[in-house]
Amino acid sequence: AQSVTQLDSHVSVSEGTPVLLRCNYSSSYSPSLFWYVQHPNKGLQLLLKYTSAATLVKGINGFEAEFKKSETSFHLTKPSAHMSDAAEYFCVVTESGGSYIPTFGRGTSLIVHP
Amino acid sequence: EAGVAQSPRYKIIEKRQSVAFWCNPISGHATLYWYQQILGQGPKLLIQFQNNGVVDDSQLPKDRFSAERLKGVDSTLKIQPAKLEDSAVYLCASSLRLTSESSYEQYFGPGTRLTVT
Repeated sequence: AQSVTQLDSHVSVSEGTPVLLRCNYSSSYSPSLFWYVQHPNKGLQLLLKYTSAATLVKGINGFEAEFKKSETSFHLTKPSAHMSDAAEYFCVVTESGGSYIPTFGRGTSLIVHP
Repeated sequence: EAGVAQSPRYKIIEKRQSVAFWCNPISGHATLYWYQQILGQGPKLLIQFQNNGVVDDSQLPKDRFSAERLKGVDSTLKIQPAKLEDSAVYLCASSLRLTSESSYEQYFGPGTRLTVT
């Protein structure tokens, strides 16, 4: 069985400071991991994905995430927050070789202060 | 490339009424997903199709919810009868296919916001 835990329901940062959104997962098989972003009243958009290639994954809008198997983590980072980054972020795990059913985390709301 | 299309975008119904949502995935995408997203929560997978077969529907309340994807392309999700707790955004997503080589990257539609009064 697979599961995903987003450790923070809200993260508040100032514009220009680093962003860290934390995600831990559990999986019986090799996982594929994703981060999606959802702006208010907008659809979900893929930020980045990990599928057993490079462990450091670069995504859109300056975001990146590092897959750490030993820590079962896939934290999302950005060096410098922008006001437009304020949104809801979801970590998703899908088991490769398992049921291929995606499981979403509960979400982390990123608040960016000017 | 056209994205995932959903209709209607908004729907208001009274409890015990029925409602249907429609989804047209990206052309060539074999896998289609329906999610329910209640305000303040992450999306919950209701049903997953691979072509016109069901991969998983373990979280679909089958006494009132039904879904079909008859020709392996577009899909409908129906609720009958609706309850107050069904108020949510219903998201449709599609991905290429389920194989060991694919990355299961999902593309989402804009969603249908359902309000049950």
